[in-house]
Amino acid sequence: EAQVTQNPRYLITVTGKKLTVTCSQNMNHEYMSWYRQDPGLGLRQIYYSMNVEVTDKGDVPEGYKVSRKEKRNFPLILESPSPNQTSLYFCASSLSAETGGGGYTFGSGTRLTVV
Amino acid sequence: DAKTTQPPSMDCAEGRAANLPCNHSTISGNEYVYWYRQIHSQGPQYIIHGLKNNETNEMASLIITEDRKSSTLILPHATLRDTAVYYCIVRAPRYNQGGKLIFGQGTELSVKP
Repeated sequence: EAQVTQNPRYLITVTGKKLTVTCSQNMNHEYMSWYRQDPGLGLRQIYYSMNVEVTDKGDVPEGYKVSRKEKRNFPLILESPSPNQTSLYFCASSLSAETGGGGYTFGSGTRLTVV
Repeated sequence: DAKTTQPPSMDCAEGRAANLPCNHSTISGNEYVYWYRQIHSQGPQYIIHGLKNNETNEMASLIITEDRKSSTLILPHATLRDTAVYYCIVRAPRYNQGGKLIFGQGTELSVKP
């Protein structure tokens, strides 16, 4: 089944403890992206990747890192998490960032709580 | 900022058609209209998109007005599982803004028995 898989689904951690949220897609998609969703603010893009080894900042990149060493994986790294990074996170992928084709496929989400 | 305007909420009776409107009066000639939905904090789900012609797939139909300033998403026979927040999104056709989807507040559709 074509899908985007995020892990973990739920995570509670303490301030300052490094963590990684994994994202993997099995559709050979070039484009991948991370969003966070917060009440009243909607979904906002954190980072995106047009292809392997090509990443760039979205609207809210502060406090996050990403890497794209292989096409299928796009992990989100929080080097020193803080409570304001408590949020619902989504990974998305697509054949490309061009429109005209199909839409993005989103993962099921990771609910992160930083205490 | 979102370039679309949608009603915050709508109700629909189960089995009836759900017609969700969207205004995008500042849309440019090369911008597409996309629709996604989000069911209770799950990942957003792509529904349909179009440029200027009406489009239909297995999930829904998209009607775009001739002047392209508004569109309507039609779910022909709504079921309880269609209860969700529906987002209308306008996108340019190139690698614009990092392929970012700008989600507005959407329309919360409640399908009632």
